[in-house]
Amino acid sequence: EVHLAESGGGLMQPGGSLRLSCAASGFIVSNYYMSWVRQAPGKGLEWVSVIYSGGNTFYADSVKGRFSISRDNSKSTLYLQMHGLRVEDTAVYYCTRGGGSGTYFWDWGQGTLVTVSS
Amino acid sequence: SYILTQPPSVSVAPGKTARITCGGSNIGSKSVQWYQQRPGQAPLLVIYYDTDRPSGIPERFSGSNSGNTATLTISRVEAGDEADYYCQVWDGSSDHYVFGGGTKVTVL
Repeated sequence: EVHLAESGGGLMQPGGSLRLSCAASGFIVSNYYMSWVRQAPGKGLEWVSVIYSGGNTFYADSVKGRFSISRDNSKSTLYLQMHGLRVEDTAVYYCTRGGGSGTYFWDWGQGTLVTVSS
Repeated sequence: SYILTQPPSVSVAPGKTARITCGGSNIGSKSVQWYQQRPGQAPLLVIYYDTDRPSGIPERFSGSNSGNTATLTISRVEAGDEADYYCQVWDGSSDHYVFGGGTKVTVL
């Protein structure tokens, strides 16, 4: 059974850094497109970043240059390193596993809340 | 960047049919996914590749996609269908994923 468990969220000050983790089980992380999707309080879903099975990475314009996605295949873990945090980065961050050709999100974790406030 | 437009809300009586639209430029040329999100829960994939349902999703959920509009149809609506629904496509020109703004379905 596939399971995704995010961790690492918390209260941060603007300009700070934080690393989110997503522990995956039930599949081989490096074989799938893995993404982070976030949801600000009371708002809709926003895709943040993806790492392809081949290792290519892509980012939403809102986080490009500040966030970095990576994975540790030996630990079956996906990461999101966040720098230069802004108030507007406040959101629940979901870890997702891509389905089919990787163009959609088949499995979702329960999310971890990141709050950026002074 | 590619934009998807959804109505903010749809209301439907139990047992009736709810239709949620997702508008985008020539969206018929793309594969559309739909996600259901109940309050306090993570999103759940209910339709992929325009019309396919993951196992465990009731047949009452169906999708279509043509021209500039994709549609999620929920037949014989139940109280448990009350949730936010999001459409999503992959924009191959930018390797970005795009979500619609979401539609809140209220069961009267």
